[in-house]
Amino acid sequence: DAGITQSPRHKVTETGTPVTLRCHQTENHRYMYWYRQDPGHGLRLIHYSYGVKDTDKGEVSDGYSVSRSKTEDFLLTLESATSSQTSVYFCAILGPTGELFFGEGSRLTVL
Amino acid sequence: GQNIDQPTEMTATEGAIVQINCTYQTSGFNGLFWYQQHAGEAPTFLSYNVLDGLEEKGRFSSFLSRSKGYSYLLLKELQMKDSASYLCAVVPYNQGGKLIFGQGTELSVKP
Repeated sequence: DAGITQSPRHKVTETGTPVTLRCHQTENHRYMYWYRQDPGHGLRLIHYSYGVKDTDKGEVSDGYSVSRSKTEDFLLTLESATSSQTSVYFCAILGPTGELFFGEGSRLTVL
Repeated sequence: GQNIDQPTEMTATEGAIVQINCTYQTSGFNGLFWYQQHAGEAPTFLSYNVLDGLEEKGRFSSFLSRSKGYSYLLLKELQMKDSASYLCAVVPYNQGGKLIFGQGTELSVKP
């Protein structure tokens, strides 16, 4: 257990509304990541953070923003949700030997 | 860039051995990961190969050949609980945590 919790675990929203997903970790890991998982695409990196207020874009960052104001929390925001952002979102932290440990996932449906 | 290929689906019998292949085209990478993901759950770390050769861990073994751009995951003495998706991923040079995932192989274990 890497001490990662995601919230909410499930959310249904409408197109055009803002959505924020939260990732919380309890073990002071420096590196945190947001991935999305879709059938036919596998897991793809959205954004990542290498410290407080230090973030960078991943492979599929368009339409997403992130913030990390303290070590334990990494927030993913969809400013105006679209149906193409319906997905399962996983937060992850970087382990000591380079492996990723994933949270339980947040299933988002945009109608 | 990176391109990772895995079979989409495989079926095997309880008690048997199955080999899940992963081929990749990449300009360079630090290592190759295998993850297991049960339906509706988060991916969990199985193995990490940095050097060529076979890494054994209980019923699971993982092999890497950098010269051939090839890896496989070997599962022995299959159990019903091994029914899951198996994800191959590479981490590019100096890109720790920014894993590039294949689409995953859905393994079904039959009695």
